[in-house]
Amino acid sequence: KAGVTQTPRYLIKTRGQQVTLSCSPISGHRSVSWYQQTPGQGLQFLFEYFSETQRNKGNFPGRFSGRQFSNSRSEMNVSTLELGDSALYLCASSLDPVAGYNEQFFGPGTRLTVL
Amino acid sequence: DAKTTQPNSMESNEEEPVHLPCNHSTISGTDYIHWYRQLPSQGPEYVIHGLTSNVNNRMASLAIAEDRKSSTLILHRATLRDAAVYYCILNNAGNMLTFGGGTRLMVKP
Repeated sequence: KAGVTQTPRYLIKTRGQQVTLSCSPISGHRSVSWYQQTPGQGLQFLFEYFSETQRNKGNFPGRFSGRQFSNSRSEMNVSTLELGDSALYLCASSLDPVAGYNEQFFGPGTRLTVL
Repeated sequence: DAKTTQPNSMESNEEEPVHLPCNHSTISGTDYIHWYRQLPSQGPEYVIHGLTSNVNNRMASLAIAEDRKSSTLILHRATLRDAAVYYCILNNAGNMLTFGGGTRLMVKP
């Protein structure tokens, strides 16, 4: 079974631009979560989508948004990029979780550099 | 989510057992204890999880204290490939994982 794939793997943008990252979950997984990883803040939860609906949201500004399509693929968008948005963006997928058990499968991430 | 406390780093010799501790004194009755690890240049990967009883799988064992205020991840024979950052996470909120700083495990040949 193919793992979680993320595209692109690397991206360089300049301040003020916007960016869209893509995530394809494992076949059959309906939940997709996004995380941001930086050296200073570590791994932080951005949001989760399930059945095309945002189900949970972390503490990030409205410049960060996402969506999920009917085939469970997900995209996240960051508008008006800031230098501090430089990070590794990780996507994780899981089956519809039983409460408390939610093994998540992470992709390799997209490394975003904002200049 | 309740907080966890882990040592910043630990060292082990190859082929020896490793015990990675985690304190979670404010754990609630519905919190599951999850362990993930992140190898260099990769996304995190699930290791093991448990609620009250000790758990074993092909990767590791999880020993949970009787009062659930602490737990220990046990790697029975560390290999160089086990060098990673290990995260202990409490979760009862579906897929919203709250990662702490984790423990960086270094394995010496």
